[in-house]
Amino acid sequence: AQSVTQPDIHITVSEGASLELRCNYSYGATPYLFWYVQSPGQGLQLLLKYFSGDTLVQGIKGFEAEFKRSQSSFNLRKPSVHWSDAAEYFCAVGARGNTPLVFGKGTRLSVIA
Amino acid sequence: GAGVSQTPSNKVTEKGKYVELRCDPISGHTALYWYRQSLGQGPEFLIYFQGTGAADDSGLPNDRFFAVRPEGSVSTLKIQRTERGDSAVYLCASSLMGSGADEQFFGPGTRLTVL
Repeated sequence: AQSVTQPDIHITVSEGASLELRCNYSYGATPYLFWYVQSPGQGLQLLLKYFSGDTLVQGIKGFEAEFKRSQSSFNLRKPSVHWSDAAEYFCAVGARGNTPLVFGKGTRLSVIA
Repeated sequence: GAGVSQTPSNKVTEKGKYVELRCDPISGHTALYWYRQSLGQGPEFLIYFQGTGAADDSGLPNDRFFAVRPEGSVSTLKIQRTERGDSAVYLCASSLMGSGADEQFFGPGTRLTVL
């Protein structure tokens, strides 16, 4: 069965500190991986995606993620967090073609001064 | 261009009532998805349309839920005999039909509260 695990429900980091949000997936086929961000009252916005090729992908807002097939992981990173990054972050997996995504339960990021 | 829009943004109804939730996808997007997001959870897939037909409705929880997309654009999610457990944010997304896993663009959602 397809599944996505985000082990951290809530993370608090200081502004300017680095960030890593964990994501592990279970998928039978070649996975297509996504990170979305959701701010309060807002829809989901795509941060980045991985389909194939270079396993380190760059996204918007200074985020990057690394695909590690051997660990079934797709962790999201940012070198220096800004207060505006406080939001809910979702990892998702899909398949080639227009197929529904399977989402993790999300990680809530709080940023303190 | 405009993004995915959903109406209403909020809907409060009483247990047992019928509700309709509307989704206007991005113009030209042939694929349309409905997801449900309960409090503290990630979005969960309900149904997916390619054009006018439902390509996959395996996520619909029971036969009280139904969705249509008669002209291949706007979609309506219909819930009969609502129950308190149906309270959630209902998200709609659309994407281009392509050979890869195209990005799904999400609307702001409809928050449904069943009293």
